[in-house]
Amino acid sequence: DAGVIQSPRHEVTEMGQEVTLRCKPISGHNSLFWYRQTMMRGLELLIYFNNNVPIDDSGMPEDRFSAKMPNASFSTLKIQPSEPRDSAVYFCASSLIVSANTGELFFGEGSRLTVL
Amino acid sequence: AQSVTQLDSQVPVFEEAPVELRCNYSSSVSVYLFWYVQYPNQGLQLLLKYLSGSTLVESINGFEAEFNKSQTSFHLRKPSVHISDTAEYFCAVSAPSGGSYIPTFGRGTSLIVHP
Repeated sequence: DAGVIQSPRHEVTEMGQEVTLRCKPISGHNSLFWYRQTMMRGLELLIYFNNNVPIDDSGMPEDRFSAKMPNASFSTLKIQPSEPRDSAVYFCASSLIVSANTGELFFGEGSRLTVL
Repeated sequence: AQSVTQLDSQVPVFEEAPVELRCNYSSSVSVYLFWYVQYPNQGLQLLLKYLSGSTLVESINGFEAEFNKSQTSFHLRKPSVHISDTAEYFCAVSAPSGGSYIPTFGRGTSLIVHP
């Protein structure tokens, strides 16, 4: 069975460039989460969607970050313009809403972003 | 809001020795508790969970965790570790907030198993 698929796995870019991270959730899952993992701050929830609708984006660091979910099988996290402090591993996770209501999530392998 | 504290950032241990990874949480309401494992260059995977019922929960690979409500703890244990258990372990707590249960993760504990 295909799990959560993220792309790219690695991205190296220069400060000021636009970065787009992509996620395909597990088929049938209707909740999608974006997390950021750094050594300093651990695993932070950025935003989550239920049925393609953003529910809570209070974790999005600032206006440079935006996320969309145009349909049930695709989501993007965009950073524009990128800064060195955005360097992190970004994880996408999905779940059924019922499971999400207990906190059980299925994670992708992550996108490692390095901003020079 | 709930929070999770993993008391050890790193736990080194020799192969076949027992191990305990500590997790404490704070919440004013009933919670669900989880342990996730992250192997190098991979995403997090659910290891075990406590939702209700028996306070002792087990995983398929020999780990167990016990929910202790009075001590607000959910420590993870294994009686005999293998090299392959080397990974990052995350404790998570999920409590109702605005109609949803969204997990809050601890900072993680790096388990390093030496031969």
